[in-house]
Amino acid sequence: IAGITQAPTSQILAAGRRMTLRCTQDMRHNAMYWYRQDLGLGLRLIHYSNTAGTTGKGEVPDGYSVSRANTDDFPLTLASAVPSQTSVYFCASSPGTDSYEQYFGPGTRLTVT
Amino acid sequence: GQNIDQPTEMTATEGAIVQINCTYQTSGFNGLFWYQQHAGEAPTFLSYNVLDGLEEKGRFSSFLSRSKGYSYLLLKELQMKDSASYLCAVRDSNYQLIWGAGTKLIIKP
Repeated sequence: IAGITQAPTSQILAAGRRMTLRCTQDMRHNAMYWYRQDLGLGLRLIHYSNTAGTTGKGEVPDGYSVSRANTDDFPLTLASAVPSQTSVYFCASSPGTDSYEQYFGPGTRLTVT
Repeated sequence: GQNIDQPTEMTATEGAIVQINCTYQTSGFNGLFWYQQHAGEAPTFLSYNVLDGLEEKGRFSSFLSRSKGYSYLLLKELQMKDSASYLCAVRDSNYQLIWGAGTKLIIKP
């Protein structure tokens, strides 16, 4: 059982380039989330999806887009990367929005130069 | 605005007890969560409180006072493996988690 996986593990990206971070879960969870984590700050929600086919904006959505074509996958795209998007990105999922617990992927460490 | 406050860092001794506090101001309240995060790893769920009072789970306990906007995580019989960051999060009226910056707990022998 893999749970929730993310790819790549880490990436160095030139500013202005496009990048898609992948997230896949095999738990059949309805809700999925993308967070970024920066030193000294709490996890901040970028985008979320309560169920396949729907997405919503979180606290810091600018410069990011998501899609949820099926239950398992929730990719995050940076259309034109900027240095301020250097961060650790975590994907998470939960059975529903009112669930006890969110399950986190291992994270992607992204550096934009 | 929404705000979650917790101490940046705490130090404790192996075998001792430590209490990590969290205060919050959010738009709505649908539960408070504590997560543990070891360096370089993903957060993992520890506890959930939605009603006032104490929830105990082994060596870890979590307390909530909704009227005071306050919670604490109590760790007993500290072990070296408890060295980690502890994240407090509140689920708001939109059912989204608002996260504190985390408390880094350092355990000394």
